[in-house]
Amino acid sequence: RKEVEQDPGPFNVPEGATVAFNCTYSNSASQSFFWYRQDCRKEPKLLMSVYSSGNEDGRFTAQLNRASQYISLLIRDSKLSDSATYLCVVNIRTGGGNKLTFGTGTQLKVEL
Amino acid sequence: DAGITQSPRHKVTETGTPVTLRCHQTENHRYMYWYRQDPGHGLRLIHYSYGVKDTDKGEVSDGYSVSRSKTEDFLLTLESATSSQTSVYFCAISGISRGQETQYFGPGTRLLVL
Repeated sequence: RKEVEQDPGPFNVPEGATVAFNCTYSNSASQSFFWYRQDCRKEPKLLMSVYSSGNEDGRFTAQLNRASQYISLLIRDSKLSDSATYLCVVNIRTGGGNKLTFGTGTQLKVEL
Repeated sequence: DAGITQSPRHKVTETGTPVTLRCHQTENHRYMYWYRQDPGHGLRLIHYSYGVKDTDKGEVSDGYSVSRSKTEDFLLTLESATSSQTSVYFCAISGISRGQETQYFGPGTRLLVL
């Protein structure tokens, strides 16, 4: 079983739609959680952290359920520019700094 | 931008040749990381460094070595490149986002081993 699992997609949605991505993680010692965005042939970039209380950043809402070991990302009013791959990332603090484990990503395509 | 550069950005080499990739940061961060990214596998940690001359292995370290002689530079060496090392290589540094420690990535190096 992969440590971080995501549906690879692609999710094809029309502009203006609401879309949700889910992610599960297997290590209950995971301490912090993130969503990264990766455009084609570019580096991953931090989109937002994920907090237990849930958090919102503009059109993006992230949720964490520690009991179910489940993370979600909701994008409202999708824009063409949201087309990218979204990586779910969990962090386990070790003696070697923070160890990030990455999901393989969910691809989003927003269409006219 | 996190102040990370990688060189070269693209490289084509032949099996059996040595290859060195360079990561340079201007942020004076202690921790630096090398990852590779392949379809179906996501990002996998090769090696990391927690200070000058202090390095340790990640999950896919076989066939790779690293060196860090200065805070700002972290080198990844493929002693004898193989076709299985064809990949995109990303360097990262640790950083803080809203009180949480996470990582920021360089632009990547695309390596093709023929």
